[in-house]
Amino acid sequence: EAGVAQSPRYKIIEKRQSVAFWCNPISGHATLYWYQQILGQGPKLLIQFQNNGVVDDSQLPKDRFSAERLKGVDSTLKIQPAKLEDSAVYLCASSATSGRAREQYFGPGTRLTVT
Amino acid sequence: GQQVMQIPQYQHVQEGEDFTTYCNSSTTLSNIQWYKQRPGGHPVFLIQLVKSGEVKKQKRLTFQFGEAKKNSSLHITATQTTDVGTYFCTNAGGTSYGKLTFGQGTILTVHP
Repeated sequence: EAGVAQSPRYKIIEKRQSVAFWCNPISGHATLYWYQQILGQGPKLLIQFQNNGVVDDSQLPKDRFSAERLKGVDSTLKIQPAKLEDSAVYLCASSATSGRAREQYFGPGTRLTVT
Repeated sequence: GQQVMQIPQYQHVQEGEDFTTYCNSSTTLSNIQWYKQRPGGHPVFLIQLVKSGEVKKQKRLTFQFGEAKKNSSLHITATQTTDVGTYFCTNAGGTSYGKLTFGQGTILTVHP
């Protein structure tokens, strides 16, 4: 089966600019996650969707980050305006169901550099 | 999910040596998931442990879940250069829609 797709793979922007990332989960996976991974750290969950509804966005900096999952399939994550500390890899993951622990399948990530 | 503490943070071994990483929690865990992330790559699911005292093997990898469900270990026998990467243990909270909380992981370097 096809894996989780993400684009772009790399992005370089200046601070205060905006950027958007796209994710296409594995077909049929109801749960979608966005993580931020800063160099040398483990992934940190930003937001979790169950179909097209948000189930957890407690660690999403809502003053500058937003995410949506229209129609419960693809998702976009946006940063506006970007700060230097947003430089990280943004990982999208999906899983077959939620409510109980299921393995998550990660995409290749988008490496964001903010200058 | 509750965060688990993982040790060591770094491990350097010679190819052929064994390697073990440990996860510890102050509270009882509903389950443990292990992921591997190669340098420049993304996390890849290895295994999930749910039962007290559970032991699972995948070729040279042995995973254990403690009897009290407060700790877990990953042991690699006779490491190979392909084992290089960061190993994460996570707890997918039993009630919180599968949310994973990652720690720093253990970075394994294998010298040929």
